[in-house]
This record gives sequence, C-alpha cells and structure tokens, in this order.
Amino acid sequence: EVQLVESGGGLVKPGESLRLSCVASGFTFSNVWVSWVRQAPGKGLEWVGRVKSKTAGETTDYIAPVKGRFTISRDDSKSTLYLQMNSLKTEDTAVYYCATGMAGAFDIWGQGTMVTVSS
Amino acid sequence: QVVLTQSPSASASLGASVKLTCTLSSGHSSYGIAWHQQQPEKGPRFLMKVNSDGSHSKGDGIPDRFSGSSSGAERYLTISSLQSEDEADYYCQSWGTGIHVFGGGTKLTVL
Repeated sequence: EVQLVESGGGLVKPGESLRLSCVASGFTFSNVWVSWVRQAPGKGLEWVGRVKSKTAGETTDYIAPVKGRFTISRDDSKSTLYLQMNSLKTEDTAVYYCATGMAGAFDIWGQGTMVTVSS
Repeated sequence: QVVLTQSPSASASLGASVKLTCTLSSGHSSYGIAWHQQQPEKGPRFLMKVNSDGSHSKGDGIPDRFSGSSSGAERYLTISSLQSEDEADYYCQSWGTGIHVFGGGTKLTVL
C-alpha cells in the first residue's frame, strides 16, 4: 500500500524546536521530490517547502515565512522525510502534512501531525 | 509567480451536479493544476490532475462522477450525482519553479 505516515507533532513553547518525520512505503521514495504542507486551524492549505530527489541535487525550497527557521531533509535509506523546525512561532501552529507526486501534482498525502506553539 | 483563485463557497442539491472553478493568474494560463478534496476532520485526498488542454488523470478509486476540464485560465472540477459525502472543501494546487501554491479552497455544501 502506498502511504506516507507523519509523526513528531506536539505542544511546544514559542522559540522552541521540533522535528517532524514522514515515513514512506509502497513506492520508491528516492525517486520523488517531497513536500511539507501545513494547515492552520480553520484555514486553507499552505505549501511550506520541498526537497528534490538526490538525482536532482537534493536541493530545497521554502516559503518566505519559514526560510532560515525550517530545514527539510531526507534519508532515502530509511524512506523518511524530515522537517526540522526551529524558533517556532505561534503562527506556525498547524497540522503538517507530507505530500508527494510525480510531475508536480500531490497524489500521495500523509494523514498529518499536529503542531501547537503556545506559551 | 502563479496565484490560484477559488470561490469560497458553493452549494448544490443532493443528486444534482456542481462545477467548481479555479482561476490561474495572468500569464499562467498554460499551467496544469491538481484538485484535492478534504472532508471534515480528514486530510486532503488527491482527486485529479487537469491539464491546460482539458485532459485529466484521476487518482486511484476516484468515482466517475468526478471530472475535470479547462478553458483558458480556468480549470474546472465537475461533480455529478452529488452525494452527502461530497460535502467537503476542495482545493486546487499548481506548481512552478521552486514553488507550489494552493487556491484558498471552496467549501461545498450538499443541500
């Protein structure tokens, strides 16, 4: 079965750090570019960033609000995607999804993990 | 960069059809998009990819009631024979160099 499973969410205070993981199965993880997408409570979907495949250089892109605070990485030997989040802010509170697909469209989604940043 | 515009809400009766629209920003009318469904309290689910020529490719298990089309800078999702479980938020998604974007979503109410 093709799936992505996120973990690592929780409650943290502003300024703290958290690392999310996303484990892939059922497809060749190393071939795909993988993204993190978040959804604040009651709001729409927001793309956070992406890491390309190793063959594409494993480069990353981020939206401006998280650039310099968030780092996306991957471990193809473990079919796992990571999101290291530092200097967290209350506005980072959201459900975080990993997503992937060939040719741009996200045709595989995880179930999400909740991150709450609150004092 | 590409911007996607969706109407915030739509409604239609049980058994009827509804057509949702996603509009690509100026200069991006050749872009393809994807449609995703998010039922209440659930994660997003990929429905289909719609190309600028109107061709579309659906995800696994997506019923024939769901179809996609295109006209100029507009991309459409048509749902026929509406069922109660179709009541959900629908998001369009597109992508460019180094970025992905989502529309604001359309909340579909089945009356």
